[in-house]
Amino acid sequence: GAVVSQHPSRVICKSGTSVKIECRSLDFQATTMFWYRQFPKQSLMLMATSNEGSKATYEQGVEKDKFLINHASLTLSTLTVTSAHPEDSSFYICSATTSGVFHTQYFGPGTRLTVL
Amino acid sequence: GESVGLHLPTLSVQEGDNSIINCAYSNSASDYFIWYKQESGKGPQFIIDIRSNMDKRQGQRVTVLLNKTVKHLSLQIAATQPGDSAVYFCAENSGANSKLTFGKGITLSVRP
Repeated sequence: GAVVSQHPSRVICKSGTSVKIECRSLDFQATTMFWYRQFPKQSLMLMATSNEGSKATYEQGVEKDKFLINHASLTLSTLTVTSAHPEDSSFYICSATTSGVFHTQYFGPGTRLTVL
Repeated sequence: GESVGLHLPTLSVQEGDNSIINCAYSNSASDYFIWYKQESGKGPQFIIDIRSNMDKRQGQRVTVLLNKTVKHLSLQIAATQPGDSAVYFCAENSGANSKLTFGKGITLSVRP
């Protein structure tokens, strides 16, 4: 149980284009989903917290107009990197959690974005 | 501000030996802790968790110890195998929301 998928696993795009990444909880309903960014040999950096049916909460320094997050259902959240530039190249990982007192986050396999 | 950190950046162990990975946390309000394993190019994988009302929890080949007095968390892996080679992160939850604070990560390398 607690399987989270991401699509695509790898994407290469030209500078100035937009890229959409999907995150799905396959066998449970996720009340909250999170989007992280990870640079090589570094820890995970939380970008935003997404609750179904409401606006995402972005961490300080993360541009909400640059990284659009939509959480349309309890099993799907999307991250759109708008007008991508080479500095947006990174490993993007989502996680999902269920309701309850203690919130275990289950992670997706990640999406490697390369902007040329 | 509050932070979660690890004592050592890398750990090399002989196959078959036991591994101990340590983590220090600074937020005394944290009430839930998780260890994750991340292999190269993959997302973090849940290993084991522990609540603040416990000091030890065991899983299959893994044990997590929590010492709230000194704010220390450790992950013990018994009979370490080559497949255990990965980066390990500790994470803590200290709020009413689900946000986790991650440590820097430690690389476990298993020598054959």
